Amino acid sequence: ESVLTQSPGTLSLSPGERATLSCRASQSVSSNYIAWYQQKPGQAPRLLIYGTSSRATGIPDSFSGSGSGTDFTLTINRLEPEDFAVYYCQRYGSSLWTFGQGTKVEIK
Amino acid sequence: QLQLQESGPGLLKTSETLSLICTVSGDSVSSSGYYWAWIRQPPGKGLEWIASVYYGGNAYYNPSLKSRVTISIDTSKNQFSLKLSSVTAADTAVYYCARQSVRSTPRLDYWGQGTLVTVSS
Repeated sequence: ESVLTQSPGTLSLSPGERATLSCRASQSVSSNYIAWYQQKPGQAPRLLIYGTSSRATGIPDSFSGSGSGTDFTLTINRLEPEDFAVYYCQRYGSSLWTFGQGTKVEIK
Repeated sequence: QLQLQESGPGLLKTSETLSLICTVSGDSVSSSGYYWAWIRQPPGKGLEWIASVYYGGNAYYNPSLKSRVTISIDTSKNQFSLKLSSVTAADTAVYYCARQSVRSTPRLDYWGQGTLVTVSS
């Protein structure tokens, strides 16, 4: 079973800074099968990125995804106040959905 | 606009069976190209996928929960449901239902607001 490890656990940044979140898979993953979600307190997760780099409907272009093989990255350019949240990567494969443990982006 | 709404008891006792329903509006659970999924999140923890079902009845499960889980779909009511047997405190979580696209780039693109289920002795 492929495990997803996200780093760092917490990222402390100021509004306007860039956030770089990492997601590493224990086995190689098709780039079609990596997605990212944002979750704010008390809310359901929201799809941000799918297929490694495609933005979901309504997601601003300040969010971008990249990567291949076992290493994937979510980048948030110019953090806005509403971007401070927890972010999860997710993998689909062999009829299984696996989530990383999450990265919290907090205000410094 | 697609909406999903979870419903079911919020409090259970150890060894009981958890039963949740997800009602879908704005789309049909019979739409091709979409499965329908349940995901849960224990308080303060991460996300765990539970199971997914297709309108034709095809379903697949998280191996760690498979022995206790049944997912089903009712196209006449535009709903799908989850049953989790023999619950313990470890099953206390917010349970989400979601639409699952299984085209070339699978993703969970619409989520319900979630419902908290607490298991106590």
